[in-house]
Amino acid sequence: AQKVTQAQTEISVVEKEDVTLDCVYETRDTTYYLFWYKQPPSGELVFLIRRNSFDEQNEISGRYSWNFQKSTSSFNFTITASQVVDSAVYFCALSRSGSARQLTFGSGTQLTVLP
Amino acid sequence: DAGITQSPRHKVTETGTPVTLRCHQTENHRYMYWYRQDPGHGLRLIHYSYGVKDTDKGEVSDGYSVSRSKTEDFLLTLESATSSQTSVYFCAISGGGSTDTQYFGPGTRLTVL
Repeated sequence: AQKVTQAQTEISVVEKEDVTLDCVYETRDTTYYLFWYKQPPSGELVFLIRRNSFDEQNEISGRYSWNFQKSTSSFNFTITASQVVDSAVYFCALSRSGSARQLTFGSGTQLTVLP
Repeated sequence: DAGITQSPRHKVTETGTPVTLRCHQTENHRYMYWYRQDPGHGLRLIHYSYGVKDTDKGEVSDGYSVSRSKTEDFLLTLESATSSQTSVYFCAISGGGSTDTQYFGPGTRLTVL
């Protein structure tokens, strides 16, 4: 069985602070995929990043960066110099390899960035 | 943005009535999924489809059925709605392959009274 844990239910920071959202996963598969999605107050789900299990390189995209560590089964997401527009619920998700990749989601972290 | 629409966007119904939600895509993607989102649970998979007339159950399939008669449409039916099925329902699509990513529709908010 697969499981994704986002232990931080809610985080509140002041604008321009850095913030890290934690994601810990469990799987018995050797090949798998990890994702982050953003859900702003408007409700849609926005894809942010996909990472393959065999690629442990960290990734940076503008103010966003992701730290994937297989040794600790973690895929953490950092926002540098946070902005009010970053306020949203962030979901980490895990899928198996194979043709129909059903996603297993964490329960999400509500990030509030205060001006 | 992926071409995914869901209808209706909002629906209020009564316990015991049948409800059908529609997901329509213009991307010609092979895979389609239905998830429900509830507080504290994230999103959970209800059913998915890997082709026309090919569907399978997800984690929380009890009380739901699906049909896919065309590539572009994936229907979710609640045969007899219950209050526990009050939720936000999201459809997702993906094309498959090594770089597969699911893209989500705007969601349908269903309230069962």
